[in-house]
Amino acid sequence: DTGVSQDPRHKITKRGQNVTFRCDPISEHNRLYWYRQTLGQGPEFLTYFQNEAQLEKSRLLSDRFSAERPKGSFSTLEIQRTEQGDSAMYLCASSFFTGGQETQYFGPGTRLLVL
Amino acid sequence: KQEVTQIPAALSVPEGENLVLNCSFTDSAIYNLQWFRQDPGKGLTSLLLIQSSQREQTSGRLNASLDKSSGRSTLYIAASQPGDSATYLCAVLMAGGFKTIFGAGTRLFVKA
Repeated sequence: DTGVSQDPRHKITKRGQNVTFRCDPISEHNRLYWYRQTLGQGPEFLTYFQNEAQLEKSRLLSDRFSAERPKGSFSTLEIQRTEQGDSAMYLCASSFFTGGQETQYFGPGTRLLVL
Repeated sequence: KQEVTQIPAALSVPEGENLVLNCSFTDSAIYNLQWFRQDPGKGLTSLLLIQSSQREQTSGRLNASLDKSSGRSTLYIAASQPGDSATYLCAVLMAGGFKTIFGAGTRLFVKA
């Protein structure tokens, strides 16, 4: 078990470009979450997957954002036509939800800077 | 709409002090409450998780309590050390079991 990994760790892009981030959860975790965190704030929920199904999306997730989790393993988060306001840390977390205790394990995050 | 508030926003204490971090939430319909630690530029590390039916959890020098009816949780850190310096985040998992709402955190600095 190597924990949750995210790639890349840092991304600098120009406004209008598309970017894609990857998250590899802890194996056998059935839930995967994406969050966005800006400086001085706690993470904000964006979306989550139960296995391969995307079950909830925040209103923060505009139509420029799309997330997938094919085969219920790794997940990708794509941002199209990036804007400067998209600059943030994007965090991924996974958990094994059984209806009892659920601890979310976070990855190191991908820091995005849109110029 | 659930709101999670953490007080104080920042705290600086000398090494060895016992300290209390506060978290309050407006909607008591929660599934659980979790305390995390975040080091600068890093991801989050789970410290303690309290189910909605529980009152407290302990791990080493950390003790977290939950009063769901009043919408409050505290994180008690005993005998603080410089290595405890980090941002501490409180998060509630909403009933329905998927949406987690975070507070803005308390930035702790423990002076040697």
